[in-house]
Amino acid sequence: KQEVTQIPAALSVPEGENLVLNCSFTDSAIYNLQWFRQDPGKGLTSLLLIQSSQREQTSGRLNASLDKSSGRSTLYIAASQPGDSATYLCAVYNNAGNMLTFGGGTRLMVKP
Amino acid sequence: NAGVTQTPKFQVLKTGQSMTLQCAQDMNHEYMSWYRQDPGMGLRLIHYSVGAGITDQGEVPNGYNVSRSTTEDFPLRLLSAAPSQTSVYFCASSYSSGAYYTFGSGTRLTVV
Repeated sequence: KQEVTQIPAALSVPEGENLVLNCSFTDSAIYNLQWFRQDPGKGLTSLLLIQSSQREQTSGRLNASLDKSSGRSTLYIAASQPGDSATYLCAVYNNAGNMLTFGGGTRLMVKP
Repeated sequence: NAGVTQTPKFQVLKTGQSMTLQCAQDMNHEYMSWYRQDPGMGLRLIHYSVGAGITDQGEVPNGYNVSRSTTEDFPLRLLSAAPSQTSVYFCASSYSSGAYYTFGSGTRLTVV
């Protein structure tokens, strides 16, 4: 059974810092991996999707990397802002690409 | 451009009652899923569908029923509500295997 772990569970940083969120998974036979953002009391917003054949994907200040062989992905946030405060979730696709297994999330607070 | 629409947003049920959570998408997505989100447990897959007429169980299917008669709709039925089913329920859809998932805004269900 796939297990997904996100470390740290919570993170507080001052505005402007660059930061890295970690995601690890136990079964490397994944289809893709997707990073989401969730604001309190809201649904999930998709940030980045990395295909299993890719090493990284970028969108604005966000960069996600994937190392399938070691079962790891990282989400890099550059020049953090208070508006980045949210919970960040990674989800791995099973090898058929039709099911997601989620990590527990990292709750990020960026202080002004 | 509604995306994934879930109704109701909030619901309180008494133990033993039944109800249906509605989910509709207007993106012509083949894949649809139901997740529940609980503190400390993360998001867990309840049921999923890869097309009209095709459904399958996820990680936590007991107490829930689904059917998919159209591409657009994927309702989740609680057969006899229990306090353990108190949770936030999310519906999600995806165009195809391994594609981006789009989530609805959720239904917060309390069973008393």
